[in-house]
Amino acid sequence: KAGVTQTPRYLIKTRGQQVTLSCSPISGHRSVSWYQQTPGQGLQFLFEYFSETQRNKGNFPGRFSGRQFSNSRSEMNVSTLELGDSALYLCASSKSGYEQYFGPGTRLTVT
Amino acid sequence: KNEVEQSPQNLTAQEGEFITINCSYSVGISALHWLQQHPGGGIVSLFMLSSGKKKHGRLIATINIQEKHSSLHITASHPRDSAVYICALTQGGSEKLVFGKGTKLTVNP
Repeated sequence: KAGVTQTPRYLIKTRGQQVTLSCSPISGHRSVSWYQQTPGQGLQFLFEYFSETQRNKGNFPGRFSGRQFSNSRSEMNVSTLELGDSALYLCASSKSGYEQYFGPGTRLTVT
Repeated sequence: KNEVEQSPQNLTAQEGEFITINCSYSVGISALHWLQQHPGGGIVSLFMLSSGKKKHGRLIATINIQEKHSSLHITASHPRDSAVYICALTQGGSEKLVFGKGTKLTVNP
């Protein structure tokens, strides 16, 4: 069974640009969550989606948005990038109420 | 105050030693998760538990709901166990993970 995949794995953007990250969950998993990891703040929750509905949103500015498609694949978008958005972005999928499986992450560098 | 507190922050052990990492939390939970993160970023779920004790190979996780405390034990530690171990919790019907700051474990040969 294929694991959670994230694309791209690495990304370099400049300030002011926007970026879209993609997450494909394990087949049969309808829940997808996104997390940001930085050396200073550690792991922080961004969004939770279930069956195309956002169930929860973390304490991030409106520049961070996301969505989930009918096949459970999810994307997150960050507009007007800032240097502080440089981070490892992780997604995780699960059958609701069960353990979560993490993807390898997308490492975003903003210059 | 963080909802999830881990100790110690850093731990160095010799190969073969018994290791304990502790996690305390201050809120009601639906489940407590132990995660492992190796250099390079990948996170693996080790345990998800809501009561009692679970064991996978050399790893044991326990939780005391009344005391809001969980422990992760590693028996006969090995250098390949070197990683960051993260305690996290979920609440209600949400999949949202609330994380501790992690424990960096180094096991020397």
